[in-house]
Amino acid sequence: AQSVAQPEDQVNVAEGNPLTVKCTYSVSGNPYLFWYVQYPNRGLQFLLKYITGDNLVKGSYGFEAEFNKSQTSFHLKKPSALVSDSALYFCAVRDRDFNKFYFGSGTKLNVKP
Amino acid sequence: DAGVTQSPTHLIKTRGQQVTLRCSPKSGHDTVSWYQQALGQGPQFIFQYYEEEERQRGNFPDRFSGHQFPNYSSELNVNALLLGDSALYLCASSRTYRGTEAFFGQGTRLTVV
Repeated sequence: AQSVAQPEDQVNVAEGNPLTVKCTYSVSGNPYLFWYVQYPNRGLQFLLKYITGDNLVKGSYGFEAEFNKSQTSFHLKKPSALVSDSALYFCAVRDRDFNKFYFGSGTKLNVKP
Repeated sequence: DAGVTQSPTHLIKTRGQQVTLRCSPKSGHDTVSWYQQALGQGPQFIFQYYEEEERQRGNFPDRFSGHQFPNYSSELNVNALLLGDSALYLCASSRTYRGTEAFFGQGTRLTVV
């Protein structure tokens, strides 16, 4: 079975400070990992993905994520948070054979001025 | 490019009724997946359509059914609505069922009263 866990329901950070949103995964074989962001009453927007290659993945809006195979983690990071980054963030793992995603429960990011 | 479009955006139905939600995939995409996102939770995979057939199904009852048309658009039907069916229903499209990315629509908010 494939799954992801987001251990924090909410993350609070001050504008300008670095942010980290945590994700751990459980899959058989090599994982396909994704981060999506959701703004209120909106669908999911793709941020970045890890399929293979460099463990540090760069994505949209200045976000990046670090794949760590030994810790089975895929944490989302940004060097300097913006108030506009406040949203709900979902980590997901894609099924190996089909375009089907298993999502975590989400982490609400609050960036305060 | 219009992206993935869903209709309607909001819907209120009475328990026991039936509902149909619609999705048009992103241009060039032929695979459509449906997800249910209950309040405060991550999206849960309902099913996936490719070449007008249901290819994958999540853990949802038979009250949930779908269809894909020759133009790749799709419908999600839910019969005998329950209060617990209240959720945001998301449609995602991809370039074939093996595509590595999924693009999501803005969702349909279904409220069952």
